[in-house]
This record gives sequence, C-alpha cells and structure tokens, in this order.
Amino acid sequence: SQQGEEDPQALSIQEGENATMNCSYKTSINNLQWYRQNSGRGLVHLILIRSNEREKHSGRLRVTLDTSKKSSSLLITASRAADTASYFCATVNNQGGKLIFGQGTELSVKP
Amino acid sequence: DVKVTQSSRYLVKRTGEKVFLECVQDMDHENMFWYRQDPGLGLRLIYFSYDVKMKEKGDIPEGYSVSREKKERFSLILESASTNQTSMYLCASSLFAPVLGYNEQFFGPGTRLTVL
Repeated sequence: SQQGEEDPQALSIQEGENATMNCSYKTSINNLQWYRQNSGRGLVHLILIRSNEREKHSGRLRVTLDTSKKSSSLLITASRAADTASYFCATVNNQGGKLIFGQGTELSVKP
Repeated sequence: DVKVTQSSRYLVKRTGEKVFLECVQDMDHENMFWYRQDPGLGLRLIYFSYDVKMKEKGDIPEGYSVSREKKERFSLILESASTNQTSMYLCASSLFAPVLGYNEQFFGPGTRLTVL
C-alpha cells in the first residue's frame, strides 16, 4: 500500500507556536496533497505539491517533499485556535491515480 | 468558489431501506467521487465517475451503486441499507486530468448516515 501515514497522530500546542506534521508513503507518487477537516465537516484542500517540487508555500503553510525519503511535512506557522482540526496527507500515483489518504493528525491549538 | 453540496447533513434510516445520497457541484468538474470515512479506517473510495453515465468502482463498492445522469450530479445509492453502512459519507469533485488525482479535490460537507 502507498498509504500516507501521518506523524504524530495528535499534537497539542499553544497559540502562536508552530505546528509540524509529517507524512510518509511507500511507493513513487505523482503528487501529494494536504487537507484539513474541522470536526464533523468535509475536507478542505490546503496545498498540492508535485513530485518534481521540493517546497511550496501558501500563507502560513509550508510544505516540503523529499521523494528520496518518501516523506512530506506540513508546517503551520504562528498557529491560531482556528487551526484546530485534523490534517490529512493524500498521495497519488501515476497508475490509477486515486487519492490515498492517511489516518490524519489531530491538531489542537490552545488559546 | 467551487461549491459541492450534499443533500443531507444527517440521515437516519432503517435496515433494509433504500437510501439515496445526492451530491451536486457547480464548477463543471468532470470527476466526482464518493468516499466513506470511519474512525481508524480513514477515507475510503467507494465509487468515482469521470464523465456523465461513466462510473468506476473504488476500493469498497460492495453494497453501493451510483448514478451520474448529469455532469453536476452524482448520486450514491444504498440498495438495502445495513448497520455496517453507518458512516460519514463525503462527496468530492475535481477537474479532469490524464492522472485521476492530478488536481485537487473539492469536498462537500458530508452526510452522517446512521442505519438502525
């Protein structure tokens, strides 16, 4: 399986701190995507990074991709209470191309 | 903004009932997807469609069928609901690309289905 596996499973930080979540996968990919899910709601796409890219930024988000280590990280800088959510990585290979989701990291940002 | 809507946020049905979950997107996306989300199992793909009247099985299609008569609408059907189909159901859409997952997916708010 090339399922992404997030680490840690849960993370609790204070407002203003940075949050880092990691994702590892097993086979070569076309791209890797990060999504956020607020409790009981649908997923919101955050950022997509393709296999030939190493880093992408979007606002307070920074995503890195290391294809040699088959891993990615999502950094949220200057976190806010509103960032409290579950964060999922999802990988896409070039065969079939379905999104394969990891189990997610539950982030709690305390005010 | 892309908007994906689902017909119900919460639904309670009885075992054996036929259940229809509707999903509509307003951005002219070719691809549409149905997932279910369960604690400890994550999101799993049930069915997807890349064009009107086209459908492909995902990873867990058993007990489900789908219908795509119009580009903007993708329906998930539980022919005879069972208690193990109690779950959160999420619909998503994306632009067509040669690789199915090449583009980001836009998700609806989800339908929490309980089968008694």
